[in-house]
Amino acid sequence: DGGITQSPKYLFRKEGQNVTLSCEQNLNHDAMYWYRQDPGQGLRLIYYSQIVNDFQKGDIAEGYSVSREKKESFPLTVTSAQKNPTAFYLCASCVVGNTEAFFGQGTRLTVV
Amino acid sequence: GQSLEQPSEVTAVEGAIVQINCTYQTSGFYGLSWYQQHDGGAPTFLSYNGLDGLEETGRFSSFLSRSDSYGYLLLQELQMKDSASYFCAAPREGSARQLTFGSGTQLTVLP
Repeated sequence: DGGITQSPKYLFRKEGQNVTLSCEQNLNHDAMYWYRQDPGQGLRLIYYSQIVNDFQKGDIAEGYSVSREKKESFPLTVTSAQKNPTAFYLCASCVVGNTEAFFGQGTRLTVV
Repeated sequence: GQSLEQPSEVTAVEGAIVQINCTYQTSGFYGLSWYQQHDGGAPTFLSYNGLDGLEETGRFSSFLSRSDSYGYLLLQELQMKDSASYFCAAPREGSARQLTFGSGTQLTVLP
């Protein structure tokens, strides 16, 4: 079955630590996204990639980093520079320019 | 810049019809999409409007007026399971066409 998978579902991090969230898709999509969602809020774009080895900052990229070494994978690292990292993180993929995006089930990150 | 404005909350009863509005300001326009998200879940695609008019998909319909920079999602024969957040979304101008979302409308369906 084709789809997009995020792991882990829940993640706890100590202050000052970096943590990496996984996102894998087998939909053969070129475009992949990372969004952050806070309680009762919309989705804010962190990073976007439309092709391997290329990615662009979104609206709230500070404190985050990504890589796109393979078409299927777009991991997000939440660094210690992100001052308020507790949130729900969603990864998505789609055909470039298409508005039908497919989302993973999300990772809920909590800083303890 | 780009902004998509939606009401924060809407409440309706089972069996009723509800309309969720979205007004947008974009430097370029490449269509308007709608997504549904249940609590703690992943957003799922509902519909897309690239041209003016109404698109119907079962109990859900979506409308677009490009001249008014306005669209809405219409939900008919509401069911309890329709309680969720609904987001309008649009691609940004530029080659990347990044998909950006409104702040979402929380729909509560009452028995």
